[in-house]
Amino acid sequence: AQSVAQPEDQVNVAEGNPLTVKCTYSVSGNPYLFWYVQYPNRGLQFLLKYITGDNLVKGSYGFEAEFNKSQTSFHLKKPSALVSDSALYFCAVRFPFSGNTPLVFGKGTRLSVIA
Amino acid sequence: GAVVSQHPSWVICKSGTSVKIECRSLDFQATTMFWYRQFPKQSLMLMATSNEGSKATYEQGVEKDKFLINHASLTLSTLTVTSAHPEDSSFYICSAPLPRDHNEQFFGPGTRLTVL
Repeated sequence: AQSVAQPEDQVNVAEGNPLTVKCTYSVSGNPYLFWYVQYPNRGLQFLLKYITGDNLVKGSYGFEAEFNKSQTSFHLKKPSALVSDSALYFCAVRFPFSGNTPLVFGKGTRLSVIA
Repeated sequence: GAVVSQHPSWVICKSGTSVKIECRSLDFQATTMFWYRQFPKQSLMLMATSNEGSKATYEQGVEKDKFLINHASLTLSTLTVTSAHPEDSSFYICSAPLPRDHNEQFFGPGTRLTVL
């Protein structure tokens, strides 16, 4: 079955330190991968996506993610965390050439950046 | 960028009543819209795919008679929770992909439904 896993429910990091939010996927073929952020009582905001090309993808708000095919991972990273980065982060996957299909989401990881 | 709106942003209703939630694509046409449900501290679960001009496609376990979806135009899909009960209380989010780039999906801000 195709799935996305976010192994950490919660990630705590001090402000100014680098952060990593992990995501692995279990699918056949080459999926398209996404990261979204959700602030309290808000919808999802797009951060970045990997479709093809360079494995390192840069996105909004200084975030980046690296696609690692051998490890089937797509971890979200930021060199220096801000308190305002505290939110719920979702990794998602979609399959190419699949028409108008929805995203499949991981369970989410809550990031807390402590001042 | 493209914008998807939802109305209302929150609603409180009595058990047994019906609630309609609107999802609009404001500056693009959406032949397909997706409806998700999110429980507290949990991920988004796809409920159904709304197709303009045809019947919605429901995910397994989602009651189509309970959650009525109407995609009457290229910019509007509605989700009606019929005879709502407290267990229907949740955060409902819609999304719409761009017509020419299905990898660009835009999410509405969500609707928080509380059934008393």
